[in-house]
Amino acid sequence: GAVVSQHPSWVICKSGTSVKIECRSLDFQATTMFWYRQFPKQSLMLMATSNEGSKATYEQGVEKDKFLINHASLTLSTLTVTSAHPEDSSFYICSARERGPRVRWLAEAFFGQGTRLTVV
Amino acid sequence: AQTVTQSQPEMSVQEAETVTLSCTYDTSESDYYLFWYKQPPSRQMILVIRQEAYKQQNATENRFSVNFQKAAKSFSLKISDSQLGDAAMYFCAYRSGSARQLTFGSGTQLTVLP
Repeated sequence: GAVVSQHPSWVICKSGTSVKIECRSLDFQATTMFWYRQFPKQSLMLMATSNEGSKATYEQGVEKDKFLINHASLTLSTLTVTSAHPEDSSFYICSARERGPRVRWLAEAFFGQGTRLTVV
Repeated sequence: AQTVTQSQPEMSVQEAETVTLSCTYDTSESDYYLFWYKQPPSRQMILVIRQEAYKQQNATENRFSVNFQKAAKSFSLKISDSQLGDAAMYFCAYRSGSARQLTFGSGTQLTVLP
């Protein structure tokens, strides 16, 4: 299967600082990448969808200025949590869909390993 | 809007036994895909099995199989010969043919008892 690498796996930052999380598709080109947030023992909540070379589409209630998403290439998307606060502490997961699948249903989403963010 | 419902927050099964996890969904689409994902303690999301709505045959992957009832909008996961490594949170997910994103259920925490 396709591999999505997310970095860092965990990060601790001070309140008020910004932190960047990277999501890379290692062996395929991803037209679309998704960013999720997950609280303990809860489901994945979609934050935003990004397409290469265009602005991200944010879900209702997600602050665009706080969670900056950049999808500059077909293999890299970044999520920057700006001016982080303790309430931003969470587990963030990215996923990517492959470009131009040979068979439609193969265009499933592949997931990164997630990033645990702790803001102190 | 599509919704996915997993009515069992927690389930447990004895090692080597069989367990079935339930999932129902609501959609007006005719073209869609259904998935079961596993999230072990590492929190890496792992695709377990997938089903295309247009296929009547239930998908099977080794010890994992689904019971896809399209008219009832039901998509249950059966795990046979349960192993300790099957212990995880299991998420049912839906994607319409025209959509890019997945819609997840709330998850079922599966415990495998030795």
